[in-house]
Amino acid sequence: EPEVTQTPSHQVTQMGQEVILRCVPISNHLYFYWYRQILGQKVEFLVSFYNNEISEKSEIFDDQFSVERPDGSNFTLKIRSTKLEDSAMYFCASSGGTGGGNEAFFGQGTRLTVV
Amino acid sequence: AQSVTQPDIHITVSEGASLELRCNYSYGATPYLFWYVQSPGQGLQLLLKYFSGDTLVQGIKGFEAEFKRSQSSFNLRKPSVHWSDAAEYFCAVVRYSSASKIIFGSGTRLSIRP
Repeated sequence: EPEVTQTPSHQVTQMGQEVILRCVPISNHLYFYWYRQILGQKVEFLVSFYNNEISEKSEIFDDQFSVERPDGSNFTLKIRSTKLEDSAMYFCASSGGTGGGNEAFFGQGTRLTVV
Repeated sequence: AQSVTQPDIHITVSEGASLELRCNYSYGATPYLFWYVQSPGQGLQLLLKYFSGDTLVQGIKGFEAEFKRSQSSFNLRKPSVHWSDAAEYFCAVVRYSSASKIIFGSGTRLSIRP
């Protein structure tokens, strides 16, 4: 069964450093998303991406965040200068395959720890 | 604006007992509705979904959910829970007309009493 894969599973970084979280969405999907879940809290939408551009973003997704689909298969989330409060689980998702429907498939997540 | 409410933060049931997790949504039209499950430290697994048609939908692991338009609800049920069902359960909604963002409820943590 096709799945969304995320790497790394766990990333530890120092405050102020840049991190790139990587995702490989399901191959025939057209819509890509990043979500964040701070420990013990709800899953929050960050950004959606379609046709090589951001289609929607939340207030959380400020100038320190960026997304890119550099090579037609990977989908990355970059945090330019990490803060302690960026520590969270980050989930990538994709949807919108040729079969239709809006079911999103999620990766297993990357746990980001900022120290 | 769309929203999803899960009024129960934490529920404990005995193994073998029935389960119902509540979910209410706020949206002008009929949205796509989902239930996801998250085991500790794991990702989000889709349990079931409702797009249209039969309002009682069956999912994986013996779960089912019923869409009730009049109550704006999409409650998750299971007739007999197993210890392995202990997890966090999230109700979610997506706008019908586009593959837009999923709005998640705050989640219900399910504990199973032996």
